[in-house]
Amino acid sequence: DTEVTQTPKHLVMGMTNKKSLKCEQHMGHRAMYWYKQKAKKPPELMFVYSYEKLSINESVPSRFSPECPNSSLLNLHLHALQPEDSALYLCASSLWTGNQPQHFGDGTRLSIL
Amino acid sequence: DAKTTQPNSMESNEEEPVHLPCNHSTISGTDYIHWYRQLPSQGPEYVIHGLTSNVNNRMASLAIAEDRKSSTLILHRATLRDAAVYYCILPMNNNAGNMLTFGGGTRLMVKP
Repeated sequence: DTEVTQTPKHLVMGMTNKKSLKCEQHMGHRAMYWYKQKAKKPPELMFVYSYEKLSINESVPSRFSPECPNSSLLNLHLHALQPEDSALYLCASSLWTGNQPQHFGDGTRLSIL
Repeated sequence: DAKTTQPNSMESNEEEPVHLPCNHSTISGTDYIHWYRQLPSQGPEYVIHGLTSNVNNRMASLAIAEDRKSSTLILHRATLRDAAVYYCILPMNNNAGNMLTFGGGTRLMVKP
């Protein structure tokens, strides 16, 4: 069991749908992250939130919209996705101090029809 | 960013020690060395990290070369559950955040 909870575990959506991925942690971590992982590839960083503010956006298309409503929650809003966006989306969190390990959830497996 | 190089795959027998190497010849003096692993159908899991001295925890040991240009993750007694992709990473820390750049990693296969 991980301390970072992601819902839903699986999501299938059409290209015109709007959906959201949710991530929750109660470890008091103030840094939260979204990663994307394609099949048989390593995870790639998408966004970093620090103290509920977006601090890093790795040139992610605007059809992905992150949101951090409070220190325990991280959302990823999805709209008008493309089939190539099908992937495993991973959330992670860490203490703010540098070099603290990141704790990952088990991800949401997203399929775009 | 400092990069790491790892073998694509390694094989081990169950209950034997495993030494997973990582080269990081462009490491800077302040770069920490982190190891994560990813089991099938799970998110990555932190294993261990260090700066200069060798480190031990309940999961593994990390041996760091004196010149810091390489390191070795040591699993003292491999089990079938240790079959995973192991990533050696030098996190980039700046005012914006703590960034992990995953390379290809080493796929460890454990034979019964």
